[in-house]
Amino acid sequence: DAGVTQSPTHLIKTRGQHVTLRCSPISGHKSVSWYQQVLGQGPQFIFQYYEKEERGRGNFPDRFSARQFPNYSSELNVNALLLGDSALYLCASSRDLTEAFFGQGTRLTVV
Amino acid sequence: EDKVVQSPLSLVVHEGDTVTLNCSYEVTNFRSLLWYKQEKKAPTFLFMLTSSGIEKKSGRLSSILDKKELFSILNITATQTGDSAIYLCAVEGSARQLTFGSGTQLTVLP
Repeated sequence: DAGVTQSPTHLIKTRGQHVTLRCSPISGHKSVSWYQQVLGQGPQFIFQYYEKEERGRGNFPDRFSARQFPNYSSELNVNALLLGDSALYLCASSRDLTEAFFGQGTRLTVV
Repeated sequence: EDKVVQSPLSLVVHEGDTVTLNCSYEVTNFRSLLWYKQEKKAPTFLFMLTSSGIEKKSGRLSSILDKKELFSILNITATQTGDSAIYLCAVEGSARQLTFGSGTQLTVLP
């Protein structure tokens, strides 16, 4: 089985732009979560979706949004990018809501 | 607010040494504690612990949870250079989301 796949792997954007990150979960997994990891810190929870419904939201501004599609893939959108949004964005999938498996991440650089 | 503190922040050892990584936590309605290894990008799953006092073991790695004292340890015996990585501890509480610590950067020298 393929693991969690994320695209793109790297991305450079300018301040004020918008970005969309994509994630395909492991086959059979219905839950997708998004995390932001800045250098030197552990991943920080952004969103969790289960069966296409938002089940949790971390302490992030409304510029961050996400959705989950009928095939359980997911998108994370960030509007009005700031320099501080530069980070590794990780997607994790799980069969129900536990034991998350992570993708390789998208490295976002905002200049 | 759920909180996870890992120590030490970094550790440098030589091949063959044994290391112990620490994780203490505060969480509302504890469900599980997880350990991950992060080498470049994707954290890879090591262990999930839900019960106190039961050691989980995988090769040279082992972990145990103390729910009374609210901590867990990850042991690595006979370390190898391939063990060099960031080790992350996370807890899952009532919100069903993972709260991570800052990680321990382990460097194993040949």
